[in-house]
Amino acid sequence: DADVTQTPRNRITKTGKRIMLECSQTKGHDRMYWYRQDPGLGLRLIYYSFDVKDINKGEISDGYSVSRQAQAKFSLSLESAIPNQTALYFCATSDWGPPNSGTSGDEQFFGPGTRLTVL
Amino acid sequence: AQSVTQLDSHVSVSEGTPVLLRCNYSSSYSPSLFWYVQHPNKGLQLLLKYTSAATLVKGINGFEAEFKKSETSFHLTKPSAHMSDAAEYFCVVSDHGGSQGNLIFGKGTKLSVKP
Repeated sequence: DADVTQTPRNRITKTGKRIMLECSQTKGHDRMYWYRQDPGLGLRLIYYSFDVKDINKGEISDGYSVSRQAQAKFSLSLESAIPNQTALYFCATSDWGPPNSGTSGDEQFFGPGTRLTVL
Repeated sequence: AQSVTQLDSHVSVSEGTPVLLRCNYSSSYSPSLFWYVQHPNKGLQLLLKYTSAATLVKGINGFEAEFKKSETSFHLTKPSAHMSDAAEYFCVVSDHGGSQGNLIFGKGTKLSVKP
């Protein structure tokens, strides 16, 4: 079974609709992240959460909100979708810790992505 | 602040020839550096990572990268390209500043492999 799952995998919606993308992980990691990928721009960080009570804005948080329902679940919402939010969205996890702490360090583990199209 | 620049947006090689994907970084700290690969319609897979141990890092599928502090570079190489290497590659630096552990992605290099 995949360690980081995202639902749905594909979604087409209309301008103004509310959309929720969900991410679940079985890795037991505290940290979770949401990115969007646009052609030629790489991945850009939307929101990140270091634990259930700690949520932070990333580089491009405008128009998005998140909810960390549990250690294993991190949802991304578009309250009123617009066409320029058409993109590929990735969730990621990590168990970041200082060097020699036995963690994976800065490595992040990515879900398979959700392709969102806003018409 | 950390940043990463991938010097080529698209690289095309023939099967069996060497691959070189170039990456320069900027970091005020001792960085962690990564290369991730994304095959068409797939998620991201870690190829290799540098975390201040050996400067020559070996990854999966025959790829390797060398950390050169004096040149602030972390170029990805492979001696002989295979058709299955066709994908997009991302050079990534870890932000050790205010948001420890956050990753900063380059814009990606698309590798095409011709038969």
